[in-house]
Amino acid sequence: NAGVTQTPKFQVLKTGQSMTLQCAQDMNHEYMSWYRQDPGMGLRLIHYSVGAGITDQGEVPNGYNVSRSTTEDFPLRLLSAAPSQTSVYFCASSYTGGHTGELFFGEGSRLTVL
Amino acid sequence: AQSVTQLDSQVPVFEEAPVELRCNYSSSVSVYLFWYVQYPNQGLQLLLKYLSGSTLVKGINGFEAEFNKSQTSFHLRKPSVHISDTAEYFCAVFYYPVAQKLVFGQGTRLTINP
Repeated sequence: NAGVTQTPKFQVLKTGQSMTLQCAQDMNHEYMSWYRQDPGMGLRLIHYSVGAGITDQGEVPNGYNVSRSTTEDFPLRLLSAAPSQTSVYFCASSYTGGHTGELFFGEGSRLTVL
Repeated sequence: AQSVTQLDSQVPVFEEAPVELRCNYSSSVSVYLFWYVQYPNQGLQLLLKYLSGSTLVKGINGFEAEFNKSQTSFHLRKPSVHISDTAEYFCAVFYYPVAQKLVFGQGTRLTINP
């Protein structure tokens, strides 16, 4: 099993550029989420989805868009990148039947915005 | 508001010494509790979890944690650490049924010195 796969692993953008971070899982998890990790701040939830066609905002949604057209994929879009979005991004998924909150993480995508 | 506090941002210890990483969370009737570990340049892996039952839970790599409901704490312990335990450790809490998302602490960087 591949688990949760994120691409790309590294990306450098210029301010104002757009890009999409891809996330795919092969565990048939209904719940998927995006976090960003910044030094001293732990992980902060950006957006999450409890199933195909359903998304909701987390703690820090501004500047990011998501959609969920299939169970497997949950892409994160930056429409106009800003230096404040320099971070490491993690995608995570979970069961929802008997949902306990336990998450399975991808390996992360390191984004630098110049 | 739901919040998780890891009381130490960095913990240096000598190899083979015991260690305790502290975690407190805002009071709630129902919680599931987790510790995740992140090795350098990797994603997060589940170390252990408390869902119900015995308040002392054992995880991988010799770690254990104790759920203390009256003190709203979930401290992580290991009796004898190894160099390979050098990593960042995150406490996370799932408040149910009020919220449907995992709240993370800020992380504790554990450094093992020979």
